[in-house]
Amino acid sequence: DGGITQSPKYLFRKEGQNVTLSCEQNLNHDAMYWYRQDPGQGLRLIYYSQIVNDFQKGDIAEGYSVSREKKESFPLTVTSAQKNPTAFYLCASSDPGTGNRAQHFGDGTRLSIL
Amino acid sequence: EDQVTQSPEALRLQEGESSSLNCSYTVSGLRGLFWYRQDPGKGPEFLFTLYSAGEEKEKERLKATLTKKESFLHITAPKPEDSATYLCAVYPPSSNYQLIWGAGTKLIIKP
Repeated sequence: DGGITQSPKYLFRKEGQNVTLSCEQNLNHDAMYWYRQDPGQGLRLIYYSQIVNDFQKGDIAEGYSVSREKKESFPLTVTSAQKNPTAFYLCASSDPGTGNRAQHFGDGTRLSIL
Repeated sequence: EDQVTQSPEALRLQEGESSSLNCSYTVSGLRGLFWYRQDPGKGPEFLFTLYSAGEEKEKERLKATLTKKESFLHITAPKPEDSATYLCAVYPPSSNYQLIWGAGTKLIIKP
């Protein structure tokens, strides 16, 4: 079955530590996205990538970094500069070449501070 | 500023009691409106895409409709398994890839 796999499901970060969230897709989609979800708020875009080796900042990129070395992989690093990292992180992908902008999501990683 | 507002924030219904969720937007000339279902601790699951006013899409007990200012997600004779948060997003003409998301409506269906 094609889909998006996020790991780990739960992650704990210590003060001053960088952590990396994994996102892998086998949908052959060109575009990939990282969102942050907080209670009572809409999804907020952190970074997105339209193609391999290219990515753009979203609305809340400060304290985060990404890479896109392979089409199927788009890892997100939450750095120590992100002072409020506790949230539910969602990875998504889409296939804009078909004209369909609908995004398809993984099951998320919940990040907490120790 | 482009905005998406969903109402109500939460809705409690008895099993079989039909109702509607609202998604209003201020985007002019949107290029798509999307509905998703999200279960607790899971990622959003895609339901529908609507492109133009007057368009309707159906799936089981759900029907989505679109006007120039808002979209409705009608739920007919809901069952407890329909309980979830329903999210709405729009694709504005000013964007290349970014969607604008509403905060969601939490739907609870009591048996």
